[in-house]
Amino acid sequence: SQQGEEDPQALSIQEGENATMNCSYKTSINNLQWYRQNSGRGLVHLILIRSNEREKHSGRLRVTLDTSKKSSSLLITASRAADTASYFCATNPVSSNTGKLIFGQGTTLQVKP
Amino acid sequence: DVKVTQSSRYLVKRTGEKVFLECVQDMDHENMFWYRQDPGLGLRLIYFSYDVKMKEKGDIPEGYSVSREKKERFSLILESASTNQTSMYLCASSPMANSYEQYFGPGTRLTVT
Repeated sequence: SQQGEEDPQALSIQEGENATMNCSYKTSINNLQWYRQNSGRGLVHLILIRSNEREKHSGRLRVTLDTSKKSSSLLITASRAADTASYFCATNPVSSNTGKLIFGQGTTLQVKP
Repeated sequence: DVKVTQSSRYLVKRTGEKVFLECVQDMDHENMFWYRQDPGLGLRLIYFSYDVKMKEKGDIPEGYSVSREKKERFSLILESASTNQTSMYLCASSPMANSYEQYFGPGTRLTVT
């Protein structure tokens, strides 16, 4: 079952613009994580936000979490061509005690130079 | 740095063959995971293991089995490969607790003809 649903499925912007991706989920979570995947490669962890946190920053990344709406957003500021990749949200359900994650379908971001 | 390696980047097998995909991690992580990734479906969990010789089914275990005889190694086995198992297979590992990210290998793109 897919817990996370990303929106939009695809996004195309110009270099220097900001990119915002959204994720919705269904059940209570311990934390929500964002990952990045370059074409044909493995996933790389970007940021983790716990259920008692509302906002987190890491470099040009800003993640928000609204547990009442069961949603999260990832903002990439001042995008670069190298940010072109697929981005996935993943939730760690409260029902899990083993670090299991449930991934969404991803947002494909294209940043045009 | 955590390193997760997978035995092959690309693999071509015939229908009915027994296929072994190997994954090795070097960070003494308790958890290891096997996912498959298909366009439009995101990552789906096949099996995971939270300790040596311990395993649990994920969302799509049918047609697959796993083996974890040593902590660092987690194998995915396709007992009799079928064309609908053509996919990208991703291995990941993480510490036991819930608040940790998963570390991914580079993936194996398996084609079954």
